[in-house]
Amino acid sequence: DAGVIQSPRHEVTEMGQEVTLRCKPISGHDYLFWYRQTMMRGLELLIYFNNNVPIDDSGMPEDRFSAKMPNASFSTLKIQPSEPRDSAVYFCASRNGQGASYEQYFGPGTRLTVT
Amino acid sequence: KQEVTQIPAALSVPEGENLVLNCSFTDSAIYNLQWFRQDPGKGLTSLLLIQSSQREQTSGRLNASLDKSSGRSTLYIAASQPGDSATYLCAVSDGGATNKLIFGTGTLLAVQP
Repeated sequence: DAGVIQSPRHEVTEMGQEVTLRCKPISGHDYLFWYRQTMMRGLELLIYFNNNVPIDDSGMPEDRFSAKMPNASFSTLKIQPSEPRDSAVYFCASRNGQGASYEQYFGPGTRLTVT
Repeated sequence: KQEVTQIPAALSVPEGENLVLNCSFTDSAIYNLQWFRQDPGKGLTSLLLIQSSQREQTSGRLNASLDKSSGRSTLYIAASQPGDSATYLCAVSDGGATNKLIFGTGTLLAVQP
């Protein structure tokens, strides 16, 4: 398996522009997680899905952030409008099943820079 | 609210040394604990997962232990190599059915050849 795939790997945009990050989870995994990593706050969970349904979005910082999972093999995280403080590395992770023995597998991340 | 702390924040050792990385958490009602490795500019690679009912897990030169009652986990790396240089992160699940992960701040390890 190719693992979790994220695109783009790097994104540079100007403040006010819309940004869309994409994720393809590992085939067969029914949980998908979006995280953000910054120097100040470390790794934080933004939102997660189970069987394509958003379960907990309490980590989404503002209404400018939205996430969708239209099918089992694709998810997007959108920021509109983007701001410089959104600059971070955004990770997508997936997991197969629920239980104490199940690991999360992370993608390579998207490094977002908002100028 | 669960908080996860890792000590030390950075560590430099000569090649061949055995070393221990520490992780502590404030709420002992965890579901599991995972250790990850992160190379610069890369994603996270899962190293070991310890379920709450387990005391330790081993993979090659790595051994992770878990003491839930004291809120601590250690990652032991035997015979360190320059290729072990990376940031090591521990993460605990939130104790609920969802296994949401709460991450520590990480330990930056440098193994000198």
